[in-house]
Amino acid sequence: SQKIEQNSEALNIQEGKTATLTCNYTNYSPAYLQWYRQDPGRGPVFLLLIRENEKEKRKERLKVTFDTTLKQSLFHITASQPADSATYLCALDISGSARQLTFGSGTQLTVLP
Amino acid sequence: DTAVSQTPKYLVTQMGNDKSIKCEQNLGHDTMYWYKQDSKKFLKIMFSYNNKELIINETVPNRFSPKSPDKAHLNLHINSLELGDSAVYFCASGEAGELFFGEGSRLTVL
Repeated sequence: SQKIEQNSEALNIQEGKTATLTCNYTNYSPAYLQWYRQDPGRGPVFLLLIRENEKEKRKERLKVTFDTTLKQSLFHITASQPADSATYLCALDISGSARQLTFGSGTQLTVLP
Repeated sequence: DTAVSQTPKYLVTQMGNDKSIKCEQNLGHDTMYWYKQDSKKFLKIMFSYNNKELIINETVPNRFSPKSPDKAHLNLHINSLELGDSAVYFCASGEAGELFFGEGSRLTVL
């Protein structure tokens, strides 16, 4: 069966360090993969999209990699800040049109001051 | 202006009742969605509508009926509510990948 796993439910790191979150999937061939941020009591907010033919994507302090051989995406936040504390969700699209966006269960990141 | 707005934000009701959640988007997207997020924070797609037509209907009890009067609105009606329906329901819209979510409607069935 198809499955998306995010490496841990919770991750604590010290301010200033790089946070690395993992998203692994099985039995999918996604056209692209996305990362979202969700704060408590709010809806998910889109951060980055990476296509199957892209190895890496960056946006400010965020970097996403996508390895279709390993079936894995890594999400990095460099120079992390307490304001980065949130739940981060990866999402896969298997249709190429966002019509079947399937989400992982998320990793709750806490950046300690 | 809120891009995707849904009401009400909170719903508390008794088992067996019927309730509706409304959603509106002002982004001009053709496609709208309903997602359910359970207590374990797992976000699962329920329905997808494209230009008022149903295109995805995941395994959802037929007590849940989406209605799209126009492409800017997608409402969710739930009949005969059960305890297991308690969750946060998110409306979303999107084109070419990126989804825009509403703030969620927390439904509690007592």
